[in-house]
Amino acid sequence: SQTIHQWPATLVQPVGSPLSLECTVEGTSNPNLYWYRQAAGRGLQLLFYSVGIGQISSEVPQNLSASRPQDRQFILSSKKLLLSDSGFYLCAWSAGTSNYNEQFFGPGTRLTVL
Amino acid sequence: QQQVKQSPQSLIVQKGGIPIINCAYENTAFDYFPWYQQFPGKGPALLIAIRPDVSEKKEGRFTISFNKSAKQFSLHIMDSQPGDSATYFCAASKAYKYIFGTGTRLKVLA
Repeated sequence: SQTIHQWPATLVQPVGSPLSLECTVEGTSNPNLYWYRQAAGRGLQLLFYSVGIGQISSEVPQNLSASRPQDRQFILSSKKLLLSDSGFYLCAWSAGTSNYNEQFFGPGTRLTVL
Repeated sequence: QQQVKQSPQSLIVQKGGIPIINCAYENTAFDYFPWYQQFPGKGPALLIAIRPDVSEKKEGRFTISFNKSAKQFSLHIMDSQPGDSATYFCAASKAYKYIFGTGTRLKVLA
């Protein structure tokens, strides 16, 4: 069965510091990978998606970037965090060949920027 | 055109009641409509989903009703239990892209 991991689970960072959040998927090959942000009490906003190694599409211009160095690894980064980057970051995957594009979410990372 | 409007924002029902959560979309290109359940501090979990070629789908106590002409769909939870207390999100999808509703916080009283 497939499993998606995210770490760290929680993170407190000062404004202006760098960020690296990691997501890995097990039990599948060639997944589509996604990064979402969830602000408190709000829905999920798609930040980036990737259909393959090195292929990243950005949905929202912002202070963040994403990379996919390996097939099942997705990384969310920032060079300098802003207060507005605080939120709950969720990684998700879907089968690359699925017609239904069911997306499955990881446990999330709670980021607080002070 | 890319919005998904979800209501109500919050909902309180007694145990055994049938909470109903509604969503409306605008873009007729959407072809997949999932519902997710999220507990505090956890990632959303896929609950049930429907495609626009059917009007209703049932899985256990959860039912999706879909009205293609009205561009609306809803989630019904039969015989609700305190363990169903969570936030529920609808979404509309085309290919990779999901547009999520803003969520409904459900509380089921014992």
